[in-house]
Amino acid sequence: GQSLEQPSEVTAVEGAIVQINCTYQTSGFYGLSWYQQHDGGAPTFLSYNALDGLEETGRFSSFLSRSDSYGYLLLQELQMKDSASYFCAVRDSGTGGFKTIFGAGTRLFVKA
Amino acid sequence: DTEVTQTPKHLVMGMTNKKSLKCEQHMGHRAMYWYKQKAKKPPELMFVYSYEKLSINESVPSRFSPECPNSSLLNLHLHALQPEDSALYLCASSQERSGPQHFGDGTRLSIL
Repeated sequence: GQSLEQPSEVTAVEGAIVQINCTYQTSGFYGLSWYQQHDGGAPTFLSYNALDGLEETGRFSSFLSRSDSYGYLLLQELQMKDSASYFCAVRDSGTGGFKTIFGAGTRLFVKA
Repeated sequence: DTEVTQTPKHLVMGMTNKKSLKCEQHMGHRAMYWYKQKAKKPPELMFVYSYEKLSINESVPSRFSPECPNSSLLNLHLHALQPEDSALYLCASSQERSGPQHFGDGTRLSIL
């Protein structure tokens, strides 16, 4: 079956760097995505890795190692507004890539 | 503001009512999705439409009935819902099967 594991909570201080890890197990693999969701809001796409390596988008970076079935989201220069839930997600290639499976989410608390 | 628009934002209905949730996107995306999300849980896929045809139904009870009138619109018809159906219902779209999904702000549904 398919499953993703990520920490349930992470706490960090403003200005720091935090890494949220995600390990996955899927029958096929179309890439690893990251979404941010603030309380009461909708998920927002952050980044996508189809190939191994690091993708950088401003303060956010995402890394993928397909051989290890592992990825992470790196948030730099943390700001209070980064307090949110972060979901890693994979596409199920068994259904032609349409089905997205989300991890349980990591709640990030940024302290002053 | 999101590029996927959902209406209504909030809906309270009795178990015998019939109502519809609406979703609209004008990004030219050909895949559209309905998700259900409970508090502090990840989004859970319900339906996927690809090129206006239903491609995935995740064993959703028949009291939920999706409809895709055209490539920009997605509806979710509700009838005889149960209290456990109270949740945030999210619509999403994507350009390609493996591309990032853009979510609407959701409809917060309460069943009395």
